[in-house]
Amino acid sequence: GNSVTQMEGPVTLSEEAFLTINCTYTATGYPSLFWYVQYPGEGLQLLLKATKADDKGSNKGFEATYRKETTSFHLEKGSVQVSDSAVYFCALSDMNRDDKIIFGKGTRLHILP
Amino acid sequence: GAVVSQHPSRVICKSGTSVKIECRSLDFQATTMFWYRQFPKKSLMLMATSNEGSKATYEQGVEKDKFLINHASLTLSTLTVTSAHPEDSSFYICSAKTLTTTSLWGEQFFGPGTRLTVL
Repeated sequence: GNSVTQMEGPVTLSEEAFLTINCTYTATGYPSLFWYVQYPGEGLQLLLKATKADDKGSNKGFEATYRKETTSFHLEKGSVQVSDSAVYFCALSDMNRDDKIIFGKGTRLHILP
Repeated sequence: GAVVSQHPSRVICKSGTSVKIECRSLDFQATTMFWYRQFPKKSLMLMATSNEGSKATYEQGVEKDKFLINHASLTLSTLTVTSAHPEDSSFYICSAKTLTTTSLWGEQFFGPGTRLTVL
């Protein structure tokens, strides 16, 4: 079945550091890939998405590229801010089959001032 | 964006009692709602999918008599944990999707979650 694996946290970085959170997936079809973010006390929010191979999703300085050859969707940001501290979830959904979203375990990110 | 609320945010109950959690879409019509459960350091696990006015579809391994879901209107779904036991303690999250608002079509919007503790 479909699954998502993302790097374990917590990840602690200093402000303005470069961020990478690794995510790989297993899917039988052609899934859409997502990154969700959960800020403290809030619900999950869609951060970015990519619907086909080689697509790049981007938002708020974050980027992720749908790499079919490596089955990866790593999240990157060139210069993180304290306000980026949150839990990040990689996820996939096969829209051609059903609406179910399969999530990774989440990676907690701490940014130090 | 669209806002989904959950109530209560935290609940503590005694073993054997039932607990109801509400999920509301505040500014859009939720044609489909989803209920997830999240264990510590684990991913969100889909429990069930409900469409307004019809019975919920439960994922394999989820007891439908234990977790009663009612999607009575286009803005409200409820999850009732019946005869709760300590192993039901968890973080429950709902999400909602709409097919009636073009700008929001297809995306799931998540509530902030409800922390249930069963003593």
